[in-house]
Amino acid sequence: ETGVTQSPTHLIKTRGQQVTLRCSSQSGHNTVSWYQQALGQGPQFIFQYYREEENGRGNFPPRFSGLQFPNYSSELNVNALELDDSALYLCASSSGGGAKNIQYFGAGTRLSVL
Amino acid sequence: SQKIEQNSEALNIQEGKTATLTCNYTNYSPAYLQWYRQDPGRGPVFLLLIRENEKEKRKERLKVTFDTTLKQSLFHITASQPADSATYLCALDMANDYKLSFGAGTTVTVRA
Repeated sequence: ETGVTQSPTHLIKTRGQQVTLRCSSQSGHNTVSWYQQALGQGPQFIFQYYREEENGRGNFPPRFSGLQFPNYSSELNVNALELDDSALYLCASSSGGGAKNIQYFGAGTRLSVL
Repeated sequence: SQKIEQNSEALNIQEGKTATLTCNYTNYSPAYLQWYRQDPGRGPVFLLLIRENEKEKRKERLKVTFDTTLKQSLFHITASQPADSATYLCALDMANDYKLSFGAGTTVTVRA
């Protein structure tokens, strides 16, 4: 187990609603990255937080936003949900960004948008 | 544009054989490349990291090579076991920034 926990594990929402996903990072890690993984695809980078600041963003619209707290836990918020937002949302903690740092993933939150 | 491509077909192999997975990338020379394992419904688990100046890295039955001229990494599972059945993902930073980009993964099934 990585020590990264995500909640909830499953979530069902309807189109147009808003959702908040939560992630507790591994002890000692100051960086949290969020990924979206559609069925049969690899994880797609949404954004990364380092010491409470957004530190890089992927190709996702502004309705995807996040926060990192002083204890380095993090939230992912998605507004105006669309059907295509249905996916596994993964949180990963690390001791820095980029491929030189190992990412420790949580088990993910499965979001279904109806 | 930058792309990461892994074996498009799933790999089915007999127990005891070697599985070889490929990861090809274009338009960038990453300094680091990582491999992860993902089981159904679970998050990816880190396996190996290789640097651009390392040709080969090993960990138990796993071996990774990194050819920066061919822009390719190979991932080998030797003496494969049914427990090795999973999806294997390669990941690299496509712009030497904080964004880690993943391939789509290759699903390996090891038959007893």
